Amino acid sequence: EPEVTQTPSHQVTQMGQEVILRCVPISNHLYFYWYRQILGQKVEFLVSFYNNEISEKSEIFDDQFSVERPDGSNFTLKIRSTKLEDSAMYFCAADPQGPEDGYTFGSGTRLTVV
Amino acid sequence: ILNVEQSPQSLHVQEGDSTNFTCSFPSSNFYALHWYRWETAKSPEALFVMTLNGDEKKKGRISATLNTKEGYSYLYIKGSQPEDSATYLCAVLGGYNKLIFGAGTRLAVHP
Repeated sequence: EPEVTQTPSHQVTQMGQEVILRCVPISNHLYFYWYRQILGQKVEFLVSFYNNEISEKSEIFDDQFSVERPDGSNFTLKIRSTKLEDSAMYFCAADPQGPEDGYTFGSGTRLTVV
Repeated sequence: ILNVEQSPQSLHVQEGDSTNFTCSFPSSNFYALHWYRWETAKSPEALFVMTLNGDEKKKGRISATLNTKEGYSYLYIKGSQPEDSATYLCAVLGGYNKLIFGAGTRLAVHP
């Protein structure tokens, strides 16, 4: 059973619309992250989140993006007004459980902006 | 800007072949290197976390080495099987625990 669940798996939206991508980490994690991969490009860091605050964000994460953990379990990424170039696979990740462990990734949400 | 490079971009091998790919990274300010296997429609899955120069790690038929002084890591797969077909991602740990990824090596193992 996956430790990080993302919904939806695929979302198609019109340019200018708001989208909310959701992530539910099942295990007890402290740090959460959003990454994305535009088709044919590298996986890119967007934002890290700790203790209900953003701890670091990339240049990509501009005012159109926001993150929340409203109820202590769901972790959301909101894009206020989507652009064509926001089309990508968006991954949620949670921090390693131990020093030998990697990050736990969700299975991703494929966002298509038309 | 931390840049991670992987080669080759893609690889086609026959079942039973052994193969290896490379991850290169800046050797200064190194913290850790991660290898992930990413199968289509699934989550990237952690294979190895490597921190020390000279580290060698093994999981079944897959192993990895790390050279932090020259800035590279190798991933080896012995006796490739069709189920090894995936994209193998290398990532270096940057500030605030963020991962900086390479572009990945796409491996296809043909029966």
